[in-house]
Amino acid sequence: AQSVSQHNHHVILSEAASLELGCNYSYGGTVNLFWYVQYPGQHLQLLLKYFSGDPLVKGIKGFEAEFIKSKFSFNLRKPSVQWSDTAEYFCAVKNSGGYQKVTFGIGTKLQVIP
Amino acid sequence: GAVVSQHPSRVICKSGTSVKIECRSLDFQATTMFWYRQFPKQSLMLMATSNEGSKATYEQGVEKDKFLINHASLTLSTLTVTSAHPEDSSFYICSARDRREASPDTQYFGPGTRLTVL
Repeated sequence: AQSVSQHNHHVILSEAASLELGCNYSYGGTVNLFWYVQYPGQHLQLLLKYFSGDPLVKGIKGFEAEFIKSKFSFNLRKPSVQWSDTAEYFCAVKNSGGYQKVTFGIGTKLQVIP
Repeated sequence: GAVVSQHPSRVICKSGTSVKIECRSLDFQATTMFWYRQFPKQSLMLMATSNEGSKATYEQGVEKDKFLINHASLTLSTLTVTSAHPEDSSFYICSARDRREASPDTQYFGPGTRLTVL
């Protein structure tokens, strides 16, 4: 069975600091990877996704994530965070074939201090 | 575009009653919808996959008779928690796939429904 680990449950950063949120998954086959974001009071929305091709994926609002197959990782990064990035971030994985169940990580709460 | 709504957003009910939660895709058609449950400080757990016009596929450990799912149209799926008990109190979230999208793996999420069973 596939699983997703997010190492940081709560991250506090000052504005303009760089961000990296860790995500590791366990699944031996080909995967599709996602980062979702949930802003306070809002629903989950897709930040970026990786299906194939360039392992460095760029998403909305200046976020990017790098798929490193050898490390089973899909870390989320942003060079300079803003107060408006305060949200909860979920990493998710789906095996690319067969039954398409998406497994979510526990989430990381990011708090950006002005 | 790609908006998913849920109704109600919050519901409080007495133990033993049934509660129906609606999930609607407002501006697209969804052949597939998903129902998740989220406990405090835990991840979203997939409960079932709802396919329009057919029976839902339930995840292991989810009681089919307890959580009734109906996906009668391309824009509506309902989850009914039957004979609810306090342990069913949770945050229920639905998501939907846009049938028009070439990449079918993107899910659009609803805002969730907070169920509290007294």
